[in-house]
Amino acid sequence: SQTIHQWPATLVQPVGSPLSLECTVEGTSNPNLYWYRQAAGRGLQLLFYSVGIGQISSEVPQNLSASRPQDRQFILSSKKLLLSDSGFYLCAWDRGLSDTQYFGPGTRLTVL
Amino acid sequence: QTVTQSQPEMSVQEAETVTLSCTYDTSESDYYLFWYKQPPSRQMILVIRQEAYKQQNATENRFSVNFQKAAKSFSLKISDSQLGDAAMYFCARQGGSEKLVFGKGTKLTVNP
Repeated sequence: SQTIHQWPATLVQPVGSPLSLECTVEGTSNPNLYWYRQAAGRGLQLLFYSVGIGQISSEVPQNLSASRPQDRQFILSSKKLLLSDSGFYLCAWDRGLSDTQYFGPGTRLTVL
Repeated sequence: QTVTQSQPEMSVQEAETVTLSCTYDTSESDYYLFWYKQPPSRQMILVIRQEAYKQQNATENRFSVNFQKAAKSFSLKISDSQLGDAAMYFCARQGGSEKLVFGKGTKLTVNP
């Protein structure tokens, strides 16, 4: 069976510090991978998606970037965090556009 | 293209039935609809999936949908509500080249 992991689970960072959130998927190959952000009390906003190693598409311009160094690894980064980067970050995977997306446990990021 | 959940909050008595509403907009002829549950742990969990080309409403144990394609409506019915059903519920649509689009969610409270 497939499993998706995210870490860390919780992170508190000062404004201006760098960020690295990691997502890995087990039990499948060539997944599509997604990063979402969920602000408090709101729905999910798609940030990035990837259909393969090194292939990243950005949905919204922002302070964040994403990378996919390995088939089942997806990393969300920032060089300098802003207060507005606070939120709950979810990673997800699927096998294609007609497939169901499955989500990781999420990372709660607080920027102070 | 949007997904609209008109009920920010709903409540139901334990063992009773509740229906959560969702309407959507799409120009695609082939698409997929989902209900996800987000409990306090905040992990997104798939509740039910409906393929638009299927006329039969999807059912998953106590969860069922009323899919009205012409009206672009996709409501979720929860029967015999349990305390563990308390969560945020998100309706989502995916179709064609479009990525998964979420509504803003409905917070369901289950009263003992």
